[in-house]
Amino acid sequence: GAGVSQTPSNKVTEKGKYVELRCDPISGHTALYWYRQSLGQGPEFLIYFQGTGAADDSGLPNDRFFAVRPEGSVSTLKIQRTERGDSAVYLCASSFSGRTYNEQFFGPGTRLTVL
Amino acid sequence: EDQVTQSPEALRLQEGESSSLNCSYTVSGLRGLFWYRQDPGKGPEFLFTLYSAGEEKEKERLKATLTKKESFLHITAPKPEDSATYLCAVRTTSGNTPLVFGKGTRLSVIA
Repeated sequence: GAGVSQTPSNKVTEKGKYVELRCDPISGHTALYWYRQSLGQGPEFLIYFQGTGAADDSGLPNDRFFAVRPEGSVSTLKIQRTERGDSAVYLCASSFSGRTYNEQFFGPGTRLTVL
Repeated sequence: EDQVTQSPEALRLQEGESSSLNCSYTVSGLRGLFWYRQDPGKGPEFLFTLYSAGEEKEKERLKATLTKKESFLHITAPKPEDSATYLCAVRTTSGNTPLVFGKGTRLSVIA
């Protein structure tokens, strides 16, 4: 079956612009996560959805970052007034919620470059 | 604060030269320790989950073990295709909560 997909794979934007990053999780996975990975670092948590609602958004760095998952499937991460420090790979992961503990499956990521 | 520390940062092995990667953790409560493999330009690929001290899991040339303070990823007779960054992560609360990752160990296996 299809894995987690993310679009675009690469995004180059100018400082101050608005960007949207899309994540399509594995079918049937109700939990969806966004992480950010800088060069040489491990992924850092941003926000986590259980169904349509954000269960934990404590990792969002500031109010320029926002994410939605309106129908409990596809999610969009939105970044307003981008800054050069936002440049990173944005990873999406999903997991099944049928058991208590579940591994997360990651997409290939979106590489965001802010000039 | 929950912390995950991986060592070494980088490891270079000759093909067939077995070794181990370390993941030490300081957490309020462990609800699972995860190992992932990440190839350049790709997302992390799930390898193992360990839940309790003494648990071991194996997959091909890889074996993961867990104690109360650390986990080891043992690589037996590695091949060049095992070259990748290996990430360790922990879950500290029940349910499908987010993971806390270490910085990873970059493994290079030379033929």
